[in-house]
Amino acid sequence: DTGVSQNPRHKITKRGQNVTFRCDPISEHNRLYWYRQTLGQGPEFLTYFQNEAQLEKSRLLSDRFSAERPKGSFSTLEIQRTEQGDSAMYLCASSSETGGSFFGPGTRLTVL
Amino acid sequence: GESVGLHLPTLSVQEGDNSIINCAYSNSASDYFIWYKQESGKGPQFIIDIRSNMDKRQGQRVTVLLNKTVKHLSLQIAATQPGDSAVYFCAENQAGTALIFGKGTTLSVSS
Repeated sequence: DTGVSQNPRHKITKRGQNVTFRCDPISEHNRLYWYRQTLGQGPEFLTYFQNEAQLEKSRLLSDRFSAERPKGSFSTLEIQRTEQGDSAMYLCASSSETGGSFFGPGTRLTVL
Repeated sequence: GESVGLHLPTLSVQEGDNSIINCAYSNSASDYFIWYKQESGKGPQFIIDIRSNMDKRQGQRVTVLLNKTVKHLSLQIAATQPGDSAVYFCAENQAGTALIFGKGTTLSVSS
C-alpha cells in the first residue's frame, strides 16, 4: 500500500494520560500535515513539516501538543495531559511541493 | 439535475441525476483548490484539483469550475451513483501553506 498510513486507528484514553499517534506519509512526499476534525466539521490545520523542519503551527496547537518528524519520513503527534475536548479525529496528510494533499485514514481519539 | 446556488449542508438526488455542489472560498490569494470526498469514519479522499490559472477541469464523471471573480468553486458529478453518497469538502491554499477547508456538503443518493 503506497498511501498515507496512521496508527493506531482508534485510541481510548483517560483524561490526564499522554497519547502518541504515528503517521507514515507517501514515501516521495516531503510535506506532511496534521489536522484535527470534530464531528460535522471540516479538518482544521494543526501543524506542517517540510522534510524534518516544522514550518508552521496553528494557534489551535496548545503547548500540550507536540509533533516531530525526526528523519523527514514518519511523524508523531503527542498530546500530553489529555482533556475531553481533545476527543476528535486526528488526520495526517502528505504532499509533494506542487501537488495535492493525500490524507490517511485518521486516528480517532476518545478521552474519557 | 440538482444544484445548490449557495452552500447548503445537504443535497439529496436520485441515482442517475447530475449533482452540483457549491463552495465559496475566502482568500483571494489562494491559487490552488481541491475537492475531497469523505465517507463516514474515513479520511478525506482526493477527487479533483484546479489551479487558479484555470477555470474548468474535468475528471472521470467529475468537473470542477472555478470563478475567481466571485471566489466560487463548484463540483459537478455526472450520473450520480449511490457510492457517491458522502460528505464533500472544498479546500483552498496558497503555495506552501496548509489547506483551509470549507463547510462540507452531505450528498445523499437514493436509488
